[in-house]
Formats: sequence, C-alpha cells, structure tokens
Amino acid sequence: GAVVSQHPSRVICKSGTSVKIECRSLDFQATTMFWYRQFPKQSLMLMATSNEGSKATYEQGVEKDKFLINHASLTLSTLTVTSAHPEDSSFYICSAKGATSGSSDNEQFFGPGTRLTVL
Amino acid sequence: QQQVKQSPQSLIVQKGGISIINCAYENTAFDYFPWYQQFPGKGPALLIAIRPDVSEKKEGRFTISFNKSAKQFSLHIMDSQPGDSATYFCAASAVNRDDKIIFGKGTRLHILP
Repeated sequence: GAVVSQHPSRVICKSGTSVKIECRSLDFQATTMFWYRQFPKQSLMLMATSNEGSKATYEQGVEKDKFLINHASLTLSTLTVTSAHPEDSSFYICSAKGATSGSSDNEQFFGPGTRLTVL
Repeated sequence: QQQVKQSPQSLIVQKGGISIINCAYENTAFDYFPWYQQFPGKGPALLIAIRPDVSEKKEGRFTISFNKSAKQFSLHIMDSQPGDSATYFCAASAVNRDDKIIFGKGTRLHILP
C-alpha cells in the first residue's frame, strides 16, 4: 500500500521559534497533499490543501502567514509553523493523494503525525 | 455547520459483540464515504470506504451500510476484539470537486476483554 511519512514525529520548541514539518509520499507521486491539525480527543481539522508547484489553499480561519506550506515536488510537502506559540501545540497530520494502484479515486493516505509542543 | 454528524461519542462493547457507529451527512454532493481508524498518537488509517451506488460493503469483520435517501451510513464491526479499541472517524468527500475530506467528530470505541 501507499506510504506517507512525516518528520519529525515529535518536536518541542520555545515560543517564538519556527518549526518545519516534512511530509513525504514514499512510493507514489502525490498530486495533492493536505495538512490537518488535531487537538486532543478531537477530530481532524483541515488546514490547507497544496498541489505540487502551486500555492496552497488555506481553510477559513487558518493564517497563511503563520502556517507556511511548500509543495515543491510530487513527493514532498512542508509545513512551517512560524513564530510558534503555546496555542499552536497540537498534532499535525498530513495526507497525500495521487495515482496509485488499487486505490479509490479519492483515497488519501495519511502520515503518522507530528506532535508539536511549544513551551 | 457540521456537515458530517457522528454518534455515539463513545462506545463500550463486550468482546465478540457487534459495534455500531452511525453517521449522517447533509451535502448531497458527497459521493465518497470512508471510515478511518486511529490509535493514540498515530495518524488515521483507512478502514473501509463506500460510494453511494451500493447499499452495503463488507471487508472481513467490517461492514458499511449506506442509505442514500436518508443520507446516513454506518459502520458495523462484527466479533469485536480488544485490538479494535480505537477512535473511529466517519468522513465524506466529493470526488472531482475539491477532494476535501470532511470528518465526523469521532467515536472512541472500547472493547472489553
């Protein structure tokens, strides 16, 4: 099956610093990648959608200058949390969608998530 | 506006029993309905998915029942096992539109040994 990885799996940083999270599709080309945020015991909330080589589309209420998304290749997307604050502490999950054998037209493959803690 | 409503919020089932989770949607443009399983500290994993042209889909112990007219769908886990204890999310998406997957709020399932 299609595999999506995230790095790092967890990160702790000081308030005011920036943190970059990588999302990679390991065995397929991801035409579209999605970034989600999940608070404890809550559902996944879509933050933004990115297509390779174009600007990301952000959901309403998500600050594009705070959450920078780059989708530079068909296998890599990055999310940078700029000037992180404690309220940005959350579980960040990416997913990827692309042409892969045996998948539904709309199947997204999720990464294992990145736990961000801002002190 | 919550586009996908999921119930119950939590569920406790005896080992060997049937776990049933229900979802309802509002947007008639949705045409792809996946269910995800998530363990603590992990990303969600696709369990089973259905399209509205069929009323039921079964994969092993997992079955989706779909009622297009009522805009409802449900997940049945037969012969529930302690290893099935996890959070389950129903979701909906419109293929060939924006590809966004809208998640329900989740059901925390606990299977008693």
